[in-house]
Amino acid sequence: AQSVAQPEDQVNVAEGNPLTVKCTYSVSGNPYLFWYVQYPNRGLQFLLKYITGDNLVKGSYGFEAEFNKSQTSFHLKKPSALVSDSALYFCAVREGDTGFQKLVFGTGTRLLVSP
Amino acid sequence: GAGVSQSPSNKVTEKGKDVELRCDPISGHTALYWYRQRLGQGLEFLIYFQGNSAPDKSGLPSDRFSAERTGESVSTLTIQRTQQEDSAVYLCASSPTSGPSYEQYFGPGTRLTVT
Repeated sequence: AQSVAQPEDQVNVAEGNPLTVKCTYSVSGNPYLFWYVQYPNRGLQFLLKYITGDNLVKGSYGFEAEFNKSQTSFHLKKPSALVSDSALYFCAVREGDTGFQKLVFGTGTRLLVSP
Repeated sequence: GAGVSQSPSNKVTEKGKDVELRCDPISGHTALYWYRQRLGQGLEFLIYFQGNSAPDKSGLPSDRFSAERTGESVSTLTIQRTQQEDSAVYLCASSPTSGPSYEQYFGPGTRLTVT
């Protein structure tokens, strides 16, 4: 069964500095990888996804993620953090090309960007 | 266009009572998902609907939980004889189809508190 791990409960970064939120996954087939963000008292918003193709995926709000097959990682990155990026970030993985495969979420990483 | 909507936004109920949560997916989305998010935890898959196919109920935690969907529209999640451990945020999501590459669009959630 597929699984995803977010090893950091919280990441602290100063505004203007680069940020990285880590994610590693485990699947037996081809992975479909997603990042979502959750602001307080709101549902999850889609940021970006990796399906196939270029290992560097660009998404909303200046975020990007790098798919690394050998390290089974899909870390979320942003070159310059904003205070408004402070939120809860979830990595998710789904495997399989046919039929229904549920989306498995990590436990989330809280990002705090200080002014 | 309109996103996924859920009602009520908050529900406080007494232990042992039944509750019904509602989800209105994005128009035209054939796939609908329910998740549970306990405080400080990731998302837990509950149930999935795809068009008129039989739902995937593999994530429902007990027979107190059930869900229905009318065609490709509204869905209701019912929890009977609520317990305190049912307290959580219940999130609904929809996607254009159930294909693995499609991202899910989430509603704002219903916060359920069982006293």
